[in-house]
Amino acid sequence: GQQLNQSPQSMFIQEGEDVSMNCTSSSIFNTWLWYKQDPGEGPVLLIALYKAGELTSNGRLTAQFGITRKDSFLNISASIPSDVGIYFCAGQWDFNKFYFGSGTKLNVKP
Amino acid sequence: NAGVTQTPKFQVLKTGQSMTLQCAQDMNHEYMSWYRQDPGMGLRLIHYSVGAGITDQGEVPNGYNVSRSTTEDFPLRLLSAAPSQTSVYFCASGHPTDTEAFFGQGTRLTVV
Repeated sequence: GQQLNQSPQSMFIQEGEDVSMNCTSSSIFNTWLWYKQDPGEGPVLLIALYKAGELTSNGRLTAQFGITRKDSFLNISASIPSDVGIYFCAGQWDFNKFYFGSGTKLNVKP
Repeated sequence: NAGVTQTPKFQVLKTGQSMTLQCAQDMNHEYMSWYRQDPGMGLRLIHYSVGAGITDQGEVPNGYNVSRSTTEDFPLRLLSAAPSQTSVYFCASGHPTDTEAFFGQGTRLTVV
């Protein structure tokens, strides 16, 4: 199957700091997605990227679809305690096939 | 607004037992899927369906069966549970032409 390498695995940051995480793949994807999972809940979509080079923002979140279509990054600016959770990247190459990264666990100290 | 509902939330099985994980959605979505989430491995696609009567295998289908008799329901069956199937299972739904998938809250399954 497809392999998505997501890094870092975990982060411990101070409230107010900016955060950056990324995902790389050996395969090309048509769409890159970023999800957040809160404890005991299912993942919730944060940002979807559809074109190589696309840069999209959603509030304090910014994500980019890499030019090579094999990578993507997610930035969170001015982190707050409710940003705590696990962030997943996902690549889609067919309508019905998503491949997920292993997740980045974010901890924010007030 | 129910969205995607999974039952049960927790389950403990003995090796060799069978059970069905239930998933229902009330958003009239054609597309439904099942994932398993294991520590350090993200979510992996087990089976999916693009509409009633149509199912297909995902990345890790072995040991699991599915059926889709209605648009609303997409049950996942374990015919003979194995310890390797200990995991958290998520059901998701969406429109086939839309990238957003709506996830349920998950079922935590332990096979002893």
